[in-house]
Amino acid sequence: SQTIHQWPATLVQPVGSPLSLECTVEGTSNPNLYWYRQAAGRGLQLLFYSVGIGQISSEVPQNLSASRPQDRQFILSSKKLLLSDSGFYLCAWSPGLAGNEQFFGPGTRLTVL
Amino acid sequence: AQSVAQPEDQVNVAEGNPLTVKCTYSVSGNPYLFWYVQYPNRGLQFLLKYITGDNLVKGSYGFEAEFNKSQTSFHLKKPSALVSDSALYFCAVRDRNSGGYQKVTFGTGTKLQVIP
Repeated sequence: SQTIHQWPATLVQPVGSPLSLECTVEGTSNPNLYWYRQAAGRGLQLLFYSVGIGQISSEVPQNLSASRPQDRQFILSSKKLLLSDSGFYLCAWSPGLAGNEQFFGPGTRLTVL
Repeated sequence: AQSVAQPEDQVNVAEGNPLTVKCTYSVSGNPYLFWYVQYPNRGLQFLLKYITGDNLVKGSYGFEAEFNKSQTSFHLKKPSALVSDSALYFCAVRDRNSGGYQKVTFGTGTKLQVIP
């Protein structure tokens, strides 16, 4: 069966510090991968998606970047965090077909102070 | 462009009563429709989806949803609510007929509170 992991679960970082959040998927090949941010426990904002290694599409211009160095690894990064980067970050994957649902990781709670 | 609306911020229902969480959508073609549930400080969990075929879709934990093309709706329902159903529910849509990659658009979520 497939599983998706995210770490760390929680993170408190000062403004201006770097960020690296990691997401890995097990039990599948060539998944579509996604990074979302959820603010105030509500709506989901798609940040990045990837349909293959090294292929990253950005949905919203921002202080963040993403990379996919391996087929089942997706990394969210920042060189300098802003207060507005605080939120709940969710990684998700889906099989490569259009009609398939997404499977979400447990999330990372990021607080920037 | 595609969009999805969840008109109710919160729905309160007594335990044992039927529940409905509303969702309407807009796509240029035919939709794929999804419902997800989120418990506090957790990721979203897939409940059910409509791809094609029978308009009544059955999913996890006794939930079902009815696709209504004329009303562009996909309301989530359950015959008898449980306190453990209390959570945040998201509706999502994807245009089936778009070429290339087409992202899924999520609604803003509806908080379901089941009262004992």
